[in-house]
Amino acid sequence: QKEVEQNSGPLSVPEGAIASLNCTYSDRGSQSFFWYRQYSGKSPELIMSIYSNGDKEDGRFTAQLNKASQYVSLLIRDSQPSDSATYLCAVNNDGATNKLIFGTGTLLAVQP
Amino acid sequence: NAGVTQTPKFQVLKTGQSMTLQCAQDMNHNSMYWYRQDPGMGLRLIYYSASEGTTDKGEVPNGYNVSRLNKREFSLRLESAAPSQTSVYFCASSGNQETQYFGPGTRLLVL
Repeated sequence: QKEVEQNSGPLSVPEGAIASLNCTYSDRGSQSFFWYRQYSGKSPELIMSIYSNGDKEDGRFTAQLNKASQYVSLLIRDSQPSDSATYLCAVNNDGATNKLIFGTGTLLAVQP
Repeated sequence: NAGVTQTPKFQVLKTGQSMTLQCAQDMNHNSMYWYRQDPGMGLRLIYYSASEGTTDKGEVPNGYNVSRLNKREFSLRLESAAPSQTSVYFCASSGNQETQYFGPGTRLLVL
């Protein structure tokens, strides 16, 4: 069983729409959750981190965490073609080492 | 402030050859990591180093060795490359905030 699950996509949304990316995880002891963006041929870069249940907003991005249901989501408002990338969900379930478990990523395509 | 740097950017090896991938960070981070990324498999941890002088296996360590040379540098060695090791390799580092910062990656092709 994959510890962090994401729909591989592609998720296609029109420019200006809200893109919703979802991630589920299996370890109930997980404490820290991260969303990374990866453009084709580039390295992952951090978008958001979230540690507590609820919503966390940063500009056009909102991360949502529900530990009871074991899911974390990322909403992108007013999607732009430049948001087209693979979005990786990562979970830390080992606070002693800060090791992350990554999902396989969701490919987002924003259509102009 | 360069962040995390990796060399080389691209390498072609023949089966059985050896090579070392270099990684350095200038953020004074304690922890460093080596990942490989394959299509459909996501990022998988090969080895990590929680602090200078310590290293531990990750999810896919077979065929690799690592050295934490000092706080800045963490190298990954392939002793006898195999076609299954064709991949993109990323080095990352993290400090007290848990966030991992990634280098630009090394694209390795083993023929």
